[in-house]
Amino acid sequence: DVVLTQTPPTLSATIGQSVSISCRSSQSLLHSNGNTYLNWLLQRPGQPPQLLIYLVSRLESGVPNRFSGSGSGTDFTLKISGVEAEDLGVYYCVQSTHAWTFGGGTKLELK
Amino acid sequence: QVQLQQSGAELVKPGSSVKISCKASGYTFTSYDMHWIKQQPGNGLEWIGWIYPGNGNTKYNQKFNGKATLTADKSSSTAYMQLSSLTSEDSAVYFCARSVAYWGQGTLVTVSS
Repeated sequence: DVVLTQTPPTLSATIGQSVSISCRSSQSLLHSNGNTYLNWLLQRPGQPPQLLIYLVSRLESGVPNRFSGSGSGTDFTLKISGVEAEDLGVYYCVQSTHAWTFGGGTKLELK
Repeated sequence: QVQLQQSGAELVKPGSSVKISCKASGYTFTSYDMHWIKQQPGNGLEWIGWIYPGNGNTKYNQKFNGKATLTADKSSSTAYMQLSSLTSEDSAVYFCARSVAYWGQGTLVTVSS
C-alpha cells in the first residue's frame, strides 16, 4: 500500500509569509497513462476538504494563484506565496494513482 | 453542478449497524466512482473504499473489509455505506466523494450506549 509522509505536521506563519509543505510517497505516483495523480486539499474546521491542486500542479478553478504545486515521482511540494488569513486550516496531500491514500495533514496556523 | 447530499447524524449503540446515504445530483451517477472517507475527531482522513455505481464493482481498503459495505441505487442516484459491529473506534465523520474535487458535507456517526 502507498504511504504518504507529509511534513511538517504544524506550520506557524505570519500573514504575507510564504510557506511550503512536503509530501513524500513510498512509491512512484506516475500512472501507466502518464499522469501523476497527486492532489492537495485544504480542510477548514467543520468543513469537508476542498480541492486546491490536482495532477501535481494544476490549480483547481476558483483557487487563488498564490497556491502552487510541484514535484514528480515520489516527492511533491505545495507552496503558498503570501499566506492570507483564509488559508488557515489543515492541508492534506492525497494520491489517487493507486486507489486513494491521504497524507497525515499539516495544520497551518497564525504565528 | 455536482452535489452530494449526505444523510443526517446518527447515534447508535455498540454492536449495532448503521447505514448512511449520499444522494448525488448534477452528473451521471453511473459513470463515476463514489469514494467513502473516515475522519475521527481531531484526526486525519482515511480512505475506506469506492463503488462504481454503473456495475456495482467495489474496492476496499483492507482495514475496512468486513466493517464497511458499499452499495448504490441507480434509480435514486444514491450511494450507501453500511458499517457493522460498531465500536467506539467507529465514531467519526464519514464523507462521500466523487473524485477529490467533490465532497459531501459529512455524516457524524456516534457510537455510544
